[in-house]
Amino acid sequence: GAGVSQSPRYKVAKRGQDVALRCDPISGHVSLFWYQQALGQGPEFLTYFQNEAQLDKSGLPSDRFFAERPEGSVSTLKIQRTQQEDSAVYLCASSLVWTQYFGPGTRLLVL
Amino acid sequence: AQTVTQSQPEMSVQEAETVTLSCTYDTSESDYYLFWYKQPPSRQMILVIRQEAYKQQNATENRFSVNFQKAAKSFSLKISDSQLGDAAMYFCAYRSPQGGSEKLVFGKGTKLTVNP
Repeated sequence: GAGVSQSPRYKVAKRGQDVALRCDPISGHVSLFWYQQALGQGPEFLTYFQNEAQLDKSGLPSDRFFAERPEGSVSTLKIQRTQQEDSAVYLCASSLVWTQYFGPGTRLLVL
Repeated sequence: AQTVTQSQPEMSVQEAETVTLSCTYDTSESDYYLFWYKQPPSRQMILVIRQEAYKQQNATENRFSVNFQKAAKSFSLKISDSQLGDAAMYFCAYRSPQGGSEKLVFGKGTKLTVNP
């Protein structure tokens, strides 16, 4: 079956621009997670959904970051007024029970 | 809050040899899950092995095995008969038990080089 997919794979944005990153989880997976991975670091948790409910958004670094999963499947991470420190790889993962399966990530570069 | 520490930023091993990657964690929870993920340069994070804390038996997956020492809060990964394809970043991760936060807490990673 298909794994977790993310689009776009690469995004270059000018500082101040808004961006939207998409995640398609594995079909049937209830939980969906977003992580931010800076260069040379481990992933850091941003937010997670169980179906369409956002149960934990404690890792979102500012109110410029917003995530949604309106129908309990596809999720979008939106970053408003991007800043250079937002440059990172954004990873999406989904799970059915307790193991998370990751997508390939979206590499965001803010100039 | 839980923390995960990987004290070896880089490790190297000769092809066909065995290497052990270290991981320690800090938690006050008695039940939890531990994982090792591999991230090759393509950046797709791949699950290597997982361990439930209530299980005393160490998990094994082919050439990969763990040494889980609950009292010491240690969870090391042993790779036997290393292959060139094992070269990657390896991340140790912690997850709280069911009913708690489902997020993964990662260490900073260990870069493994496999020499032919």
